[in-house]
Amino acid sequence: EDKVVQSPLSLVVHEGDTVTLNCSYEVTNFRSLLWYKQEKKAPTFLFMLTSSGIEKKSGRLSSILDKKELFSILNITATQTGDSAIYLCAVVDSNYQLIWGAGTKLIIKP
Amino acid sequence: DVKVTQSSRYLVKRTGEKVFLECVQDMDHENMFWYRQDPGLGLRLIYFSYDVKMKEKGDIPEGYSVSREKKERFSLILESASTNQTSMYLCASGTGGVDEKLFFGSGTQLSVL
Repeated sequence: EDKVVQSPLSLVVHEGDTVTLNCSYEVTNFRSLLWYKQEKKAPTFLFMLTSSGIEKKSGRLSSILDKKELFSILNITATQTGDSAIYLCAVVDSNYQLIWGAGTKLIIKP
Repeated sequence: DVKVTQSSRYLVKRTGEKVFLECVQDMDHENMFWYRQDPGLGLRLIYFSYDVKMKEKGDIPEGYSVSREKKERFSLILESASTNQTSMYLCASGTGGVDEKLFFGSGTQLSVL
């Protein structure tokens, strides 16, 4: 059965810290991996990763995919309280179905 | 700006009631989805639709049905609400294909008493 596992499930850090969120997957026909950020409302798209080793970057956020070891990481540097959210990882399979992880709840303390 | 609108932010219903959750998107997307989100379980797909009048079961369709009479509108129906259907319901639409990205509505927090 296809699955996506995120770790940790929750994380509390202080403002200014750097965090690394993990997403591992076992999906039979992998097409791409997506990261979303969910604050109080709708999840919003962060990154789509399809190739190993190519870092995607947006401001203080970056992400990379390892298709050999079947995982991705999402890094956030110099965290701010506005980074507090649930971070969701999903894998898209060859039928364009999404398999979601349970999410990592990140809390940034001032 | 891309917009997916869910009709209610919070709903409280009684066991056995019929519940309608409405979702409208203004991006002319082919694909629309209904998820429920529960703590520790992530997003679970209930139903999705890839065209008008077309629907496909997701991972947890039991107790739910859907309707897509127009491209922009995708409705989720709980025929007889039960307490285990208390959850956050998220609607999403997507472009489909290689660059599939989902755009989510703000969610409906449904409580069934």
